[in-house]
Amino acid sequence: DAKTTQPPSMDCAEGRAANLPCNHSTISGNEYVYWYRQIHSQGPQYIIHGLKNNETNEMASLIITEDRKSSTLILPHATLRDTAVYYCIVRVEANSKLTFGKGITLSVRP
Amino acid sequence: KAGVTQTPRYLIKTRGQQVTLSCSPISGHRSVSWYQQTPGQGLQFLFEYFSETQRNKGNFPGRFSGRQFSNSRSEMNVSTLELGDSALYLCASSYRDRGHNLKFNYGYTFGSGTRLTVV
Repeated sequence: DAKTTQPPSMDCAEGRAANLPCNHSTISGNEYVYWYRQIHSQGPQYIIHGLKNNETNEMASLIITEDRKSSTLILPHATLRDTAVYYCIVRVEANSKLTFGKGITLSVRP
Repeated sequence: KAGVTQTPRYLIKTRGQQVTLSCSPISGHRSVSWYQQTPGQGLQFLFEYFSETQRNKGNFPGRFSGRQFSNSRSEMNVSTLELGDSALYLCASSYRDRGHNLKFNYGYTFGSGTRLTVV
């Protein structure tokens, strides 16, 4: 699976949009981009995934660049409960394991 | 729908002992994966079981083993515990069809983990 690069941390104000970047410059054509988050002392939680097109669900939006070498997870209205470590993962469907990097720690301030 | 259930939640063991952790996946999910999380190494894949067969294995010593039962519940065992085995052990379940194809809409659902402390 391709390697991802994320900044170690970022913060944003409550109620504002949080834009979390991820670089995956070596991504292959059949690799999907997944985002998970882990709130302290809990298991990771699936947020969203995509291949080429932008995706949106009730939790977030995923914007993938046209060359697919980077993506951005957008939490449109961050709340204090969104404070967590966010992991960007790329993987092929056939590979059953998730390879987690260090992730990005998002701190939402009041 | 009940989530992924891991038991016990916390465990303290002595070096040299063995331990068995349990994971009950979401009803209908046949795939169970195990991960180890430590402050130094982060989240690392241990193994995956599907239909009672190990499908994938990470880079862990043979002291780490697992199995899956016909009802999809899974156990992992660590023998001859070492201090470095202290970690949060997470289980994830996913829905795969008979051909082991992942149904994306479900992603992977993780349990809350078992916190193992080896003293």
